[in-house]
Parts: sequence; C-alpha cells; structure tokens
Amino acid sequence: EADIYQTPRYLVIGTGKKITLECSQTMGHDKMYWYQQDPGMELHLIHYSYGVNSTEKGDLSSESTVSRIRTEHFPLTLESARPSHTSQYLCASSRDKDFTDTQYFGPGTRLTVL
Amino acid sequence: AQSVTQPDIHITVSEGASLELRCNYSYGATPYLFWYVQSPGQGLQLLLKYFSGDTLVQGIKGFEAEFKRSQSSFNLRKPSVHWSDAAEYFCAVSEADKLIFGTGTRLQVFP
Repeated sequence: EADIYQTPRYLVIGTGKKITLECSQTMGHDKMYWYQQDPGMELHLIHYSYGVNSTEKGDLSSESTVSRIRTEHFPLTLESARPSHTSQYLCASSRDKDFTDTQYFGPGTRLTVL
Repeated sequence: AQSVTQPDIHITVSEGASLELRCNYSYGATPYLFWYVQSPGQGLQLLLKYFSGDTLVQGIKGFEAEFKRSQSSFNLRKPSVHWSDAAEYFCAVSEADKLIFGTGTRLQVFP
C-alpha cells in the first residue's frame, strides 16, 4: 500500500486566486513527480524532483511552480489561477532516480477554476 | 520521441469473460514498459512492468502482458474479468527521465 497523500482532493476556485496543491509521502522516496491529467487524455509530466532542493520541468509547459524543501513534501503552486488550469493533478514518488522504478501515485486533486 | 498508442478508448465485457487491452509503442531500442490501473477517484497503481527477459510478464490481480517486439506491442490480458476490474488502464513506456503514457482504455464490466 502506497503512502502518498494529496490535499485537497477537490478544489473550486475563482480566477486570479493563488493556490497550493499539497503532496506528501511517507516512504522516504527521493524522486517525486507532478502530472496533469485531462479526461480522455494521457498523463503529462509537468514537474519532477530528484531530491531536496532539486526541481525540474517536465515535458508539458506549465505555469505552476514547485518546491522541495523536505524529502517528504512536494507542493505545487499556481500564483494566479485561470480556467485553463482546470484539470486533475496527480502526484507520484519513486525510490530510485530513474524512470524504471515503480511510481506510486496519490489520489489526485481535481481543480476547477471558474 | 517515443509514443504510446492505446487504440481502444472504451471496452465493455461481461463478468467472467476474457480481456485483452491493446498497447503499441514506438521506440528504437528495447523499451521499459508498464501497465497502470486507475480506479474511480483513485491514483494510478502499477499492474506490471517489463524490462527484459521473459516476454510474458505476470502482474497483480491476475493480469499478464506479453511483449512482442515484432509488433511493437505490449498487450494486457486477463482470462476472467471481475466486476472490480472496471477502471481506466494506462500503458506507459520509459524514456530517459520520464514516463510516456497512452491515453488510456476505460473498461466497463457488466454482470
């Protein structure tokens, strides 16, 4: 059973608001990821981290930012939410630093920007 | 760049029937391949993965997948589907620093 948590699970917010999506894992994994998932579409990697103080952009351009101050915590922030940010955001972690290791996913945050 | 194609957007089967979900990839070298399942309201869970060796891979929940290099395929199979298998299934291939996912196949199971 994977121990990776995301809050909130659902968020409805108005345009222009600043939001932070939380992601925490208790497995001591070094690598963490954020994916964006739209209905009927593939998951797109938007950010990842190899460990503390490491952040990298994924293959899908995103206006969001991330930080990794602690191993277990990898929050994603949108400074000014827009309707185009409406999507599901999935956080994941893995033990090893390459993509061959199993990624464990959180339950996701479904964001709606009005 | 690598890509993953899941040709079937939606599949419906009866409980107890066999299942095959298709996945095709494009990659020059030997790929690292994965199948994930996403139940409603949940994150993704790994079913199985292939790196090398035996081309028939066994996974959790009674699933298996076969890697066929000649067909660039990695199809997921289950001999007898249970109602609890209703979910979205994603095939993925590893490319350098990331996983490339297909668009998913939604499985519906009728009693």
